[in-house]
Amino acid sequence: QSALTQPASVSGSPGQSITLSCTGTSSDVGNYNLVSWYQHHPGTAPKLLIYEGSKRPSGVSTRFSGSKSGNTASLTISGLQAEDEADYHCCSYAGSGTPPLYVFGTGTKVTVL
Amino acid sequence: QVQLQESGPGLVKPSETLSLTCTVSGDPISSYYWSWIRQPPGKELEWIGYIYFTGSTDYNPSLKSRVTISLDTSKNQFSLKLNSVTAADTAVYYCARLVHWFDPWGQGTLVTVSS
Repeated sequence: QSALTQPASVSGSPGQSITLSCTGTSSDVGNYNLVSWYQHHPGTAPKLLIYEGSKRPSGVSTRFSGSKSGNTASLTISGLQAEDEADYHCCSYAGSGTPPLYVFGTGTKVTVL
Repeated sequence: QVQLQESGPGLVKPSETLSLTCTVSGDPISSYYWSWIRQPPGKELEWIGYIYFTGSTDYNPSLKSRVTISLDTSKNQFSLKLNSVTAADTAVYYCARLVHWFDPWGQGTLVTVSS
């Protein structure tokens, strides 16, 4: 089972909106509504931003939103802020028939210009 | 608020066993699933495996022959053992609570495999 494909880097200016993609297969992203997204500032604990594709945990800014179409999940960051500069990782449940059970994306580094 | 903290040696010799412990506070370990994840330098995150409070486990097939995850409910801890390590096992190792998504995570601990 290969890692989910994410763009290596995405950049945007403060106030802009950017969208990060996460492409998998019909065995993982396309087969389950169980994509999650994580924000990771190096040296700190990764933080859950989105679960079940589009749900936000309590306390996560409404500027973060998730969606899915076919085998590709997306994370949109609206109103980009300097503090959003971080690494972003997607993850999908892949089911017991397609090990491993959970597969992560290749990661996207977001730069705020 | 649930918090997780990894602990263990930061340097392991090749062919030896990597041992890490995750201490959970704010939530009894006798609920949920608990997982280990790692990130080698410059590479993506990799799910290592999970343990449920009943003791049932599941592991990434790529590591299954070398990994054991166990738990100690009396100490509210769960542990990772990875044997026969090589330089390829050098990574930041994270523990996390698992609910089909990982939340929260520990801060991670760097383990370097080197003689």
